[in-house]
Amino acid sequence: AQKVTQAQTEISVVEKEDVTLDCVYETRDTTYYLFWYKQPPSGELVFLIRRNSFDEQNEISGRYSWNFQKSTSSFNFTITASQVVDSAVYFCALSAFQDYGGSQGNLIFGKGTKLSVKP
Amino acid sequence: ETGVTQSPTHLIKTRGQQVTLRCSSQSGHNTVSWYQQALGQGPQFIFQYYREEENGRGNFPPRFSGLQFPNYSSELNVNALELDDSALYLCASSLELAGYEQYFGPGTRLTVT
Repeated sequence: AQKVTQAQTEISVVEKEDVTLDCVYETRDTTYYLFWYKQPPSGELVFLIRRNSFDEQNEISGRYSWNFQKSTSSFNFTITASQVVDSAVYFCALSAFQDYGGSQGNLIFGKGTKLSVKP
Repeated sequence: ETGVTQSPTHLIKTRGQQVTLRCSSQSGHNTVSWYQQALGQGPQFIFQYYREEENGRGNFPPRFSGLQFPNYSSELNVNALELDDSALYLCASSLELAGYEQYFGPGTRLTVT
């Protein structure tokens, strides 16, 4: 079965603090893709990053960085020097290349982590 | 903005009624997926259309149906509405099937009373 677990339901930090959002996934596929999305209060899901299962290189984009470790089936997301505008619900998602009971391209989401950044 | 549009923005229906939600995909995208997001939950996959054919379906009953048109826009139809159908319905488009990021529209908030 494919599954995404985001154990942190809510996190509250003060502006300028660093924060890491955890994501653990399960899949039998050897080829798969991992994603992070941001959902601000407006409701629209905003794409942040995609990684494929063969690329374990960490990625940095401005204040955002991602740590992908196949050995622990984790794909964690760190925001450095958080800002109030980072307040949102963040979703980790998995998409399998092979069809194991669903579409080849559907996203399996975790339950999300609500991040509140206070000034 | 992603270029994915959805209509209407909000909708209130009565139990037992039928509803049609619409989605226009981003230019150049041939794949559309629909998701249901209940309050406080992650989106759940309903079904996906690729080049006008249903390509896969999640764990939703047959009263959830859809269409994709030649211009790759899409509709989601729900018959015999139930109270539990109240949710945010999200449409997402992508360049191809597996492996590509999906770009989401703003969603349609459906309330069933």
